[in-house]
Amino acid sequence: DTGVSQDPRHKITKRGQNVTFRCDPISEHNRLYWYRQTLGQGPEFLTYFQNEAQLEKSRLLSDRFSAERPKGSFSTLEIQRTEQGDSAMYLCASSWGAGTDNYGYTFGSGTRLTVV
Amino acid sequence: TQLLEQSPQFLSIQEGENLTVYCNSSSVFSSLQWYRQEPGEGPVLLVTVVTGGEVKKLKRLTFQFGDARKDSSLHITAAQPGDTGLYLCAGRDNYGQNFVFGPGTRLSVLP
Repeated sequence: DTGVSQDPRHKITKRGQNVTFRCDPISEHNRLYWYRQTLGQGPEFLTYFQNEAQLEKSRLLSDRFSAERPKGSFSTLEIQRTEQGDSAMYLCASSWGAGTDNYGYTFGSGTRLTVV
Repeated sequence: TQLLEQSPQFLSIQEGENLTVYCNSSSVFSSLQWYRQEPGEGPVLLVTVVTGGEVKKLKRLTFQFGDARKDSSLHITAAQPGDTGLYLCAGRDNYGQNFVFGPGTRLSVLP
């Protein structure tokens, strides 16, 4: 297993365009998380899946953001009508968890989005 | 929503020095984790602590979870340039299933 993979590593897009990022988690992990990190800050939670079910979504996440994990394996995060404020590093993490037990995250290397 | 504070925000020291960074909250955590992140990469898990008063050692790194499970510290002995990075703490309460991250301490160890 090569860990958590994210694609692309970098994305530059014009304001108003839609973008989609992909995350391939560790295959044995049932939980998948999306976080966003801006310069000088810690990662900020966006949303979380257990298998294919999206169980939690941050109130900070606008309607322009949507995430899927169709077969409980890879996940996609789409941002519609991008704004300059969306520029950030988008991090995906996976873990194994059952109930309230949750082991440490394994993060991918992230997708750095720049909206111009 | 728990808020985690980390101090100091920045720390620049010489190789061989010791240092301690802190993670504090007004909330009680069921577990707390420390991560290290290098520029352009995702955070890498260093340790998870779950019991109040727990101390864990990882080579030159010593992690302590406060008795009340509201705070934690990371002590590095004889820092090396390879320790340079952003140190993040992340906490989870008894109800949530995701971890909330602090803003991090950016450490620079100069040779």
